Amino acid sequence: DVVMTQSPLSLPVTLGQTASISCRSSQSLVHSDGNTYLSWFQQRPGQSPRRLIYKVSNRDSGVPDRFSGSGSGTDFTLKISRVEAEDVGIYYCVQGTRLYTFGQGTKLEIK
Amino acid sequence: EVKLVESGGGLVQPGGSLRLSCAASGFTFSNYWMHWVRQAPGKGPVWVSRINSDGSTPSYADSVKGRFTISRDNAKNTLYLQVNSLRAEDTAIYYCARNWGLDYWGQGTRVTVSS
Repeated sequence: DVVMTQSPLSLPVTLGQTASISCRSSQSLVHSDGNTYLSWFQQRPGQSPRRLIYKVSNRDSGVPDRFSGSGSGTDFTLKISRVEAEDVGIYYCVQGTRLYTFGQGTKLEIK
Repeated sequence: EVKLVESGGGLVQPGGSLRLSCAASGFTFSNYWMHWVRQAPGKGPVWVSRINSDGSTPSYADSVKGRFTISRDNAKNTLYLQVNSLRAEDTAIYYCARNWGLDYWGQGTRVTVSS
């Protein structure tokens, strides 16, 4: 099974600053079709998860360009620029290359 | 607008059963793979099961294999999850989600397993 490891698990950020979340997989996430199925989700308190980024770096419709994804193979990063109060929540990386595995989650809070 | 609405959750005793439903609208349901994902209280989401667009190929997490059955009715635009032999550790919010990339999620239905 693929294990997804996120860091940090808690991320206090000052408004307007940049937040960075790391996600590492125990195996390469490159699929046999050549794609890398790594997504990022945001879960605000009391809400369902919402996808932000798919296939490493593609932003979903309506997602601000303050959110960006990067990485390859087993190492991936979500960057949130100019953090706003509405960004508070838990962020999960998810691999969909070999069934699906979620990371433990990173809780973003405002300092 | 894509909409997924889950129902069928509730309080059930250990060993009991439920059938969860997910009503889909706003897209051509029969074209999409569909999933069930659950989230236990205070924990992260965990993928449970998926089914391909015509319903011929289900897949399951090891933790539910043999107890849960995913199915779909494309004529009714509805996804199902039959959950049997429920255990306390199955207590969670159950979400349905669309597509290989889990691009849309419903609001979830709560399942509580307790005596």
